Amino acid sequence: AQTVTQSQPEMSVQEAETVTLSCTYDTSESDYYLFWYKQPPSRQMILVIRQEAYKQQNATENRFSVNFQKAAKSFSLKISDSQLGDAAMYFCAYRSARGNEKLTFGTGTRLTIIP
Amino acid sequence: KAGVTQTPRYLIKTRGQQVTLSCSPISGHRSVSWYQQTPGQGLQFLFEYFSETQRNKGNFPGRFSGRQFSNSRSEMNVSTLELGDSALYLCASSLKSRGYEQYFGPGTRLTVT
Repeated sequence: AQTVTQSQPEMSVQEAETVTLSCTYDTSESDYYLFWYKQPPSRQMILVIRQEAYKQQNATENRFSVNFQKAAKSFSLKISDSQLGDAAMYFCAYRSARGNEKLTFGTGTRLTIIP
Repeated sequence: KAGVTQTPRYLIKTRGQQVTLSCSPISGHRSVSWYQQTPGQGLQFLFEYFSETQRNKGNFPGRFSGRQFSNSRSEMNVSTLELGDSALYLCASSLKSRGYEQYFGPGTRLTVT
């Protein structure tokens, strides 16, 4: 069974600074997808970024980028130029590429932005 | 395009009762998944439906069931409610069943007293 581990329950960063959230996962599969989801206090889960395991290039979405290390099974999220609106719970998630829609989530990292 | 909608948003039930939650996916999306979110267990997968068929089920007791209609709307039902069923129930839809992002609804907050 796949597992996802987020070892940082809480993180804080000064506004406009850069922060990196860590995620490791365990799987025996070679083809899969990884995601970062953001859940603000309003509770609506929002997709931040996704990475296909077969792609070597790290995904980037505006201020959000990932560092995907397949051999190390590591998938960290970097947020640049942090903004107050980035404050939220961030969840790392894994999904098999074998047609199984199940997302396996980590326990989340609560990110606080300090003005 | 409208997002995933869930009704009701909040619900209070008594132990032993049953409850039905509804999810309307994004227009054109055919896959609907359900998740339970609690402080203790985090986010756990309940089941996924695609074209009215349950494709995958998480490790939950048989009291948890669901279905999907021809218009892709989905319902989940919990019978004989227990205090531990208090949770935020999230629904997510995706365009197809492979390789597409899941988009989440706002959730239904269920409280069992």
